[in-house]
Amino acid sequence: NAGVTQTPKFQVLKTGQSMTLQCAQDMNHNSMYWYRQDPGMGLRLIYYSASEGTTDKGEVPNGYNVSRLNKREFSLRLESAAPSQTSVYFCASSEGTGVYQPQHFGDGTRLSIL
Amino acid sequence: EDQVTQSPEALRLQEGESSSLNCSYTVSGLRGLFWYRQDPGKGPEFLFTLYSAGEEKEKERLKATLTKKESFLHITAPKPEDSATYLCAVQGLLTGGGNKLTFGTGTQLKVEL
Repeated sequence: NAGVTQTPKFQVLKTGQSMTLQCAQDMNHNSMYWYRQDPGMGLRLIYYSASEGTTDKGEVPNGYNVSRLNKREFSLRLESAAPSQTSVYFCASSEGTGVYQPQHFGDGTRLSIL
Repeated sequence: EDQVTQSPEALRLQEGESSSLNCSYTVSGLRGLFWYRQDPGKGPEFLFTLYSAGEEKEKERLKATLTKKESFLHITAPKPEDSATYLCAVQGLLTGGGNKLTFGTGTQLKVEL
């Protein structure tokens, strides 16, 4: 079972370039999430989609946009990349938004912005 | 604002040497506390959810417990394959919708032969 698949796994960008990170899940989950993980900080929520057709801001949404393309796919876009956005980005999904429905993560995209 | 503090930051154990990891939390009414395991270069892997003080859950050599202020992840007779970073996260009643989690920074566990 693939679970949550993220592409690409690694990417290097120059400041000001744009980029879309892709995420797809095959678990028929309704809810999807984007996090960033930085050294010395916990995972921080960027955006989430509680269900197909809805998206909401998380803790650190500035500089990002998202698209819930369909039930399976949730993409994260950096319109004008900045060095502060160098991070590891994780996508996650869950059956729903209830506390009884844990989030399952992909293996991340490692993004460096020069 | 929900907060999660994990200690120690790093822990080195000999194989078979049992120990505990700590997760202290401040939350506006706890809906759930989650434990994840993260291997290098991988995403977090779900281990447990705890919902109320006094609850315990076990999986192989791991046992998670919960009080009103903290959770412990007890590792009994660890093996080298238990080496990983263990993450704790909470969901509070007032964090709004969307199953939003607040994560700690993790405890990096190394089990040596």
